[in-house]
Amino acid sequence: EDKVVQSPLSLVVHEGDTVTLNCSYEVTNFRSLLWYKQEKKAPTFLFMLTSSGIEKKSGRLSSILDKKELSSILNITATQTGDSAIYLCAVPATNTGNQFYFGTGTSLTVIP
Amino acid sequence: DTGVSQNPRHKITKRGQNVTFRCDPISEHNRLYWYRQTLGQGPEFLTYFQNEAQLEKSRLLSDRFSAERPKGSFSTLEIQRTEQGDSAMYLCASSSSTRTGRNEQFFGPGTRLTVL
Repeated sequence: EDKVVQSPLSLVVHEGDTVTLNCSYEVTNFRSLLWYKQEKKAPTFLFMLTSSGIEKKSGRLSSILDKKELSSILNITATQTGDSAIYLCAVPATNTGNQFYFGTGTSLTVIP
Repeated sequence: DTGVSQNPRHKITKRGQNVTFRCDPISEHNRLYWYRQTLGQGPEFLTYFQNEAQLEKSRLLSDRFSAERPKGSFSTLEIQRTEQGDSAMYLCASSSSTRTGRNEQFFGPGTRLTVL
């Protein structure tokens, strides 16, 4: 059965710290992996990864996919209080790719 | 605002009542998704439309749930005979199928349903 597992479930850091969030997946026919940030509202899109080893970067956030290990990491450097959110990882399901499986998310809290 | 919109934002209802939610996707998006999210969980897929055709339904979608997208634009999700277990945030997302097949989904603000 397709599934997505994220770790850690929650994380508390101080401003300025660097964090690494993990996502592992089990999908027979991998197409892509997506990262979202969810504050007190709907998820907002961060990255989509399809190729192994190619880093996607946006400001202090970056992400990379490792197809061999069936996983992805999301790095946030020099964290700010505004980074506090739930970070979700999602992969399209094996069959048609239209059904997306989301992990339970990592809840990040950045304290001043 | 050209993003995905959902109405109502909050709905409180009594057990056994029917409720209907509306989603207006980004205008040029042909794909529309409904998800349900409970506290501490990621969104769970409910159903998917490409234009007006409902192409996929999750096993989670019992016969009390029905979704439509009659003209391939807005969509409605109806829950009949609501139960307390239906209390959740109902999220709608839309995307555009392109040659690159990016399929990144843009989410609406959600409708929070509370069943008393």
